Amino acid sequence: EVQLVESGGGLVQPGGSLRLSCAASGFTFSDYEMNWVRQTPGKGLEWLSYISHSEITIYADSVKGRFTISRDNAKYSLSLQMNSVRVEDTAVYYCARGGRDGNNNDAFDIWGQGTMVTVSS
Amino acid sequence: EIVLTQSPGTLSLSPGERATLSCRASQSVGNNHLAWYQQKPGQAPRLLIHSASRRATGIADRFSGSGSGTDFTLTINRLEPEDFALYYCQQYGSSFPTFGPGTKVDIK
Repeated sequence: EVQLVESGGGLVQPGGSLRLSCAASGFTFSDYEMNWVRQTPGKGLEWLSYISHSEITIYADSVKGRFTISRDNAKYSLSLQMNSVRVEDTAVYYCARGGRDGNNNDAFDIWGQGTMVTVSS
Repeated sequence: EIVLTQSPGTLSLSPGERATLSCRASQSVGNNHLAWYQQKPGQAPRLLIHSASRRATGIADRFSGSGSGTDFTLTINRLEPEDFALYYCQQYGSSFPTFGPGTKVDIK
């Protein structure tokens, strides 16, 4: 079964750090581009970051310079390092599979179940 | 950034009726790279339609997408009880994908 499973969410203080992970299974992870998307009741779905097979990365302005996406193809794992977090980063965070052509122009066909991040003092 | 607007915000229909959801982009969506997702409470979004009109794997044929440029439509024929949910459009024709605010299809 093709599956993505996020972990690492929790409560973090403003200015703190958190690392989210996404474990992939059921497909050849190294073949696919991957993304992080978050969802809040107020802002809806927001794409955050993309990583290609060759580890080219793209970030939304809202997280650029604070969040870092990375992947370990051998471990079938995707990560999001979140630094200098803000109250407005409170959301459910999803990893989502993109395409295979390396052009960041595919819909997200597989999503994890999400992990909740709460930023509060 | 391409801004997507969805209408209506809420659509109240009965099972068996047809739902027509609209998604309008602030500028033309490159290569009609427009997707539709369904989301139910407590679940992740599920891809229904990509490339404006192509059904994703395993999606029932009562779901169809159409449109090009800046105006896109998701049609759900003969609503089933499991179709009452939130629906989002997404453009992925630029390097910065964006999502619409969603349309809720609820039971009348």
